[in-house]
Amino acid sequence: EVQLVESGGGLVQPGGSLRLSCAASGFTFKNYAMTWVRQTPGKGLEWVSSIDESGGLTYYADSVKGRFTISRDNSENTLYLQMNSLRAEDTALYYCANAPAYWGQGTLVTVSS
Amino acid sequence: DIVMTQTPLSLSVTPGQPASISCKSSQSLLYSDGKTYLYWYLQKAGQPPQLLIYEASNRFSGVPDRFSGSGSGTDFTLKLSRVEAEDVGLYYCMQRLQPPWTFGQGTKVEIK
Repeated sequence: EVQLVESGGGLVQPGGSLRLSCAASGFTFKNYAMTWVRQTPGKGLEWVSSIDESGGLTYYADSVKGRFTISRDNSENTLYLQMNSLRAEDTALYYCANAPAYWGQGTLVTVSS
Repeated sequence: DIVMTQTPLSLSVTPGQPASISCKSSQSLLYSDGKTYLYWYLQKAGQPPQLLIYEASNRFSGVPDRFSGSGSGTDFTLKLSRVEAEDVGLYYCMQRLQPPWTFGQGTKVEIK
């Protein structure tokens, strides 16, 4: 059974940083591209970033480019999202996904003073 | 960016009756490999989106056959042949032809 378990969310002040992790199991992690998607009540679902199987290719939404970094550790079956210079508008539930089929339960990030 | 437009934004359906949701993309989702990169999801309350249909018309594993997807190019439809109480939630279309992947606004389906 595919499992994706996100962690690392929490409350952070504007300008602060967080690192999200996603522990993957139930599939051969190193063979799949991985993705982060976020969701807010106001803006719905928003694709954030994707990374290819090896970690050599990364893609970012314009809204996070230059502030967020996606990475992966294929030896640990873990996906990461380093989030810097956080803004109030980054407040969201962040999902890790082996898209299109498998999504984690999400981790909540709140950016507020 | 490819814009995804869903209609209607809400739908109230009597159990056992059919329902359909439209999704239009601002450019064709047909890729040179012959696949159409359009997906349909259902998000139930408190849960992540669950995949219903991939590549416009293929039902994902375990999805009941009352769900079907159709369409090509820029116009797509999700059909429920007979709505059941467990089908309530938010339905989204998504394109992943090219980054940024984009989603429709969502269609809220409720039972009358």
